[in-house]
Amino acid sequence: DADVTQTPRNRITKTGKRIMLECSQTKGHDRMYWYRQDPGLGLRLIYYSFDVKDINKGEISDGYSVSRQAQAKFSLSLESAIPNQTALYFCATSNPRGRDEQYFGPGTRLTVT
Amino acid sequence: AQRVTQPEKLLSVFKGAPVELKCNYSYSGSPELFWYVQYSRQRLQLLLRHISRESIKGFTADLNKGETSFHLKKPFAQEEDSAMYYCALSATSGSRLTFGEGTQLTVNP
Repeated sequence: DADVTQTPRNRITKTGKRIMLECSQTKGHDRMYWYRQDPGLGLRLIYYSFDVKDINKGEISDGYSVSRQAQAKFSLSLESAIPNQTALYFCATSNPRGRDEQYFGPGTRLTVT
Repeated sequence: AQRVTQPEKLLSVFKGAPVELKCNYSYSGSPELFWYVQYSRQRLQLLLRHISRESIKGFTADLNKGETSFHLKKPFAQEEDSAMYYCALSATSGSRLTFGEGTQLTVNP
């Protein structure tokens, strides 16, 4: 589903660097989410936003920050990357007026060395 | 707090055999339950949701409130069913999802 895109798709960075992951959507959905996926731990919610002026912490927000620049854009930042933030990161969107199904992006594989 | 548990990280069956992926949840209210699937090199996508009471790709799942379970079943597994399956819970309609750990299903020929 090309309606939810993430950039970059792969990134290798060093400990201590600041990095931003970007998510864009053309679905017109108000709600956007950032998850990380780790083997054996499933998907865990980092931050979510129900509209442009609404930002909420998820289960594991420490070490991360987000920005909702517009309805269509939701960025995730790692202020000072550490190795245990190495993971696959997914962005998702949903429309509460529809079936409330979440639509996922392709994922960004981040490696912190 | 809500929690979703998938006790099997790996599940392997032969083609044509029945398959059941287990999902248990803890939540004091009336949740909405979902199954999401991630095929190799594809995005995570919704497979089915309990309120629809539908069968998708031969899969069904029944919400058992007494046992707080939402197991995913298919009577005859196919090789193309091989994927990672996630059970997810929403406390109320329109709220965020809590995912389980995932079960990697492999259907052998």
